[in-house]
Amino acid sequence: EAGVAQSPRYKIIEKRQSVAFWCNPISGHATLYWYQQILGQGPKLLIQFQNNGVVDDSQLPKDRFSAERLKGVDSTLKIQPAKLEDSAVYLCASSLAGGETQYFGPGTRLLVL
Amino acid sequence: DQQVKQNSPSLSVQEGRISILNCDYTNSMFDYFLWYKKYPAEGPTFLISISSIKDKNEDGRFTVFLNKSAKHLSLHIVPSQPGDSAVYFCAASRYNAGNNRKLIWGLGTSLAVNP
Repeated sequence: EAGVAQSPRYKIIEKRQSVAFWCNPISGHATLYWYQQILGQGPKLLIQFQNNGVVDDSQLPKDRFSAERLKGVDSTLKIQPAKLEDSAVYLCASSLAGGETQYFGPGTRLLVL
Repeated sequence: DQQVKQNSPSLSVQEGRISILNCDYTNSMFDYFLWYKKYPAEGPTFLISISSIKDKNEDGRFTVFLNKSAKHLSLHIVPSQPGDSAVYFCAASRYNAGNNRKLIWGLGTSLAVNP
């Protein structure tokens, strides 16, 4: 069974530029999560989708971050414009609807200069 | 407000010995607990979990113990192997207002298993 796929794996941009990350969850997983992980910390949930609907985006900085999951399968997370403090690893995870266990992709490491 | 606490940032053990990683939580609404393992430049990998209705779950070399009255859980690795060297995250799960599950994470413990 294929795991969660993410791309790109690494990205370096300058502040005020925009960037987008892509995620394809495990087949059949209705719930998709985007996390931000800063070095030395646990993952911080940015947004959670159930199929193509948002169920939790309380910690998403909506002035610069946006995410969509239009067809209820893959998802895109965008940052525009990026700030230095956005440098982090962006993790995508998926789970069965109501499932307790989340499965993670390899992450995208973002560096904002 | 750190609802899930891993008080030891790092742990070093000898190969073949037992590794014990600890985790404390504060919210009694958590009903499911998970341990994830993370290697550098990779995403977290699910390791083992336990429901709040149990006090022990075992999977090969890995055992998780849950003490609900103390709001404490621990991960035991026996015997420890050099390949177990990684950062271990404790996570606690509960339902949020929309009846969806939410994971709350600890800060992780870096385990080094020395040959």
